[in-house]
Amino acid sequence: DSGVTQTPKHLITATGQRVTLRCSPRSGDLSVYWYQQSLDQGLQFLIQYYNGEERAKGNILERFSAQQFPDLHSELNLSSLELGDSALYFCASSVAPDYEQYFGPGTRLTVT
Amino acid sequence: AQSVTQPDIHITVSEGASLELRCNYSYGATPYLFWYVQSPGQGLQLLLKYFSGDTLVQGIKGFEAEFKRSQSSFNLRKPSVHWSDAAEYFCDEQGAQKLVFGQGTRLTINP
Repeated sequence: DSGVTQTPKHLITATGQRVTLRCSPRSGDLSVYWYQQSLDQGLQFLIQYYNGEERAKGNILERFSAQQFPDLHSELNLSSLELGDSALYFCASSVAPDYEQYFGPGTRLTVT
Repeated sequence: AQSVTQPDIHITVSEGASLELRCNYSYGATPYLFWYVQSPGQGLQLLLKYFSGDTLVQGIKGFEAEFKRSQSSFNLRKPSVHWSDAAEYFCDEQGAQKLVFGQGTRLTINP
């Protein structure tokens, strides 16, 4: 158990819908990361927050947005969902940027 | 652009044999380098990390990795693999607000 929690574990929704994925970092970690993992794209870094502020951006689509709240939990919002958005979405946390990351168990999103 | 290359998509070794998984990074300054392992259906778990200092780093589960600046490499090694090592392995480079994971190497263990 890494100490990072993600909810929900599974999510099935239809194209065009909007969903919110939630992540609680390890106690004491200030940095949160979001990743998308699919069979064809592999592990893709989406976005990083540090103490509430966006710090780094990867291959995140404009339809996707995220934020980190004052209690340090984070949410990833995915809108106008497409079939190709079906993937595992991982959250990770670290004590500070560039330190080792601890990954949550992931949320499996299926878009039908 | 910053990139991490894991040249081997899939490797098969026999149980008890030695293992080396290759990783090449591209960032010019002193990189922060990591190896992670992902078992089926699980999140990634840190095996080891390199920030500075001794270029040979030890990790969990008997793994080690050697940082070679001249070759821009950070290869992962294990002297004798166990069936439980079957998993996907990711090399990661961080620095200057960039995070780059390699595409992963899937390790299969033959009994």
